[in-house]
Amino acid sequence: GAVVSQHPSRVICKSGTSVKIECRSLDFQATTMFWYRQFPKKSLMLMATSNEGSKATYEQGVEKDKFLINHASLTLSTLTVTSAHPEDSSFYICSARDSSSLTDTQYFGPGTRLTVL
Amino acid sequence: AQSVTQLDSQVPVFEEAPVELRCNYSSSVSVYLFWYVQYPNQGLQLLLKYLSGSTLVKGINGFEAEFNKSQTSFHLRKPSVHISDTAEYFCAVSRRDYGGATNKLIFGTGTLLAVQP
Repeated sequence: GAVVSQHPSRVICKSGTSVKIECRSLDFQATTMFWYRQFPKKSLMLMATSNEGSKATYEQGVEKDKFLINHASLTLSTLTVTSAHPEDSSFYICSARDSSSLTDTQYFGPGTRLTVL
Repeated sequence: AQSVTQLDSQVPVFEEAPVELRCNYSSSVSVYLFWYVQYPNQGLQLLLKYLSGSTLVKGINGFEAEFNKSQTSFHLRKPSVHISDTAEYFCAVSRRDYGGATNKLIFGTGTLLAVQP
């Protein structure tokens, strides 16, 4: 089946530093990837849609200068949290849409737990 | 716009008992429907999906769901649960676009299935 990986799985950083999270589709090509944020005991909140070779589309209320997204290849998207603050601590999950599939199925990564001290 | 309602935030059930997790959606257009499961500190795993055809959809781990267009529901059921089914379950909807556009998933708030011995 379709596999999506995320790296790192956990990261702890100091306030003011930047953190990069990678999302890879391992066995399929993904022209579109999605980045979600999940707060404790809450649902997933879509942050942005990442399109290969073009700019990401951000959801309302998400700061694009703070959450930088790059989708440079058909198998890799990165999310960089710039100048991280404690309120950015969260569980970040990516998903990838199989470009060869005719159906709208997204495959999710295992998530990255970010803790900002 | 689409929305998803999961009225039950938590469903406690004894092992080997049947369970139903409720999901209702709202949409002015045709949609695809999904159920995902999330185990603690992990990403989301697709349980099953409804795209078209038979309204009764069978998924992994013995789960099934029935699409009811008149009631705009997509309830998830399992005839006999196990301790290992304890997890958070999310219902999601995406707009059905015949042009093959990249459609966002809209998630419900999740239901914690707590299976007790």
